[in-house]
Amino acid sequence: KQEVTQIPAALSVPEGENLVLNCSFTDSAIYNLQWFRQDPGKGLTSLLLIQSSQREQTSGRLNASLDKSSGRSTLYIAASQPGDSATYLCAVRGRGSTLGRLYFGRGTQLTVWP
Amino acid sequence: DVKVTQSSRYLVKRTGEKVFLECVQDMDHENMFWYRQDPGLGLRLIYFSYDVKMKEKGDIPEGYSVSREKKERFSLILESASTNQTSMYLCASTIINTEAFFGQGTRLTVV
Repeated sequence: KQEVTQIPAALSVPEGENLVLNCSFTDSAIYNLQWFRQDPGKGLTSLLLIQSSQREQTSGRLNASLDKSSGRSTLYIAASQPGDSATYLCAVRGRGSTLGRLYFGRGTQLTVWP
Repeated sequence: DVKVTQSSRYLVKRTGEKVFLECVQDMDHENMFWYRQDPGLGLRLIYFSYDVKMKEKGDIPEGYSVSREKKERFSLILESASTNQTSMYLCASTIINTEAFFGQGTRLTVV
């Protein structure tokens, strides 16, 4: 069974810092990996999707990388702002017998203070 | 803009009631999912559906059932609500090689 782990569980930084959030998964047979943001009491908002054949994706201050063979992804946030405070989740889409299923990590809770 | 809409943001139900949570998507997606989210446990998959009238159990299906009569709608049913089903419920839809989109969540309290 696919296991997804996110490190660290929580992170508190001053505004302006560059950050790296980590995600690892145990089974490299995936279609894609997706990063989400969740604000308290709300649903998940998609940030970036990386297909299994890709190495990275960028959107504004966000950059996500994928190393499928080692089962790792990182989300890099440049010049962090208080509005980036949220929980960040990664999810992998399984292949084969788990076709279509999304497996989630437990998230990294980020606090950016002014 | 893509949209996944859950019928309620907040619900309060009594123990033993039959509860329906509705999810509608407007993207013609085949795959739809129901998760529950609890502090310290993360997102846990209850049921998912690959297509109309098709469903598969997730990790915690006990006490729940689902219905997918039309492609755009995926309903989660709590047959007899219990207090341990108090949680945040999240619906998602996708096709296999694209982004998954989530609804805004339903906070269910069973008293």
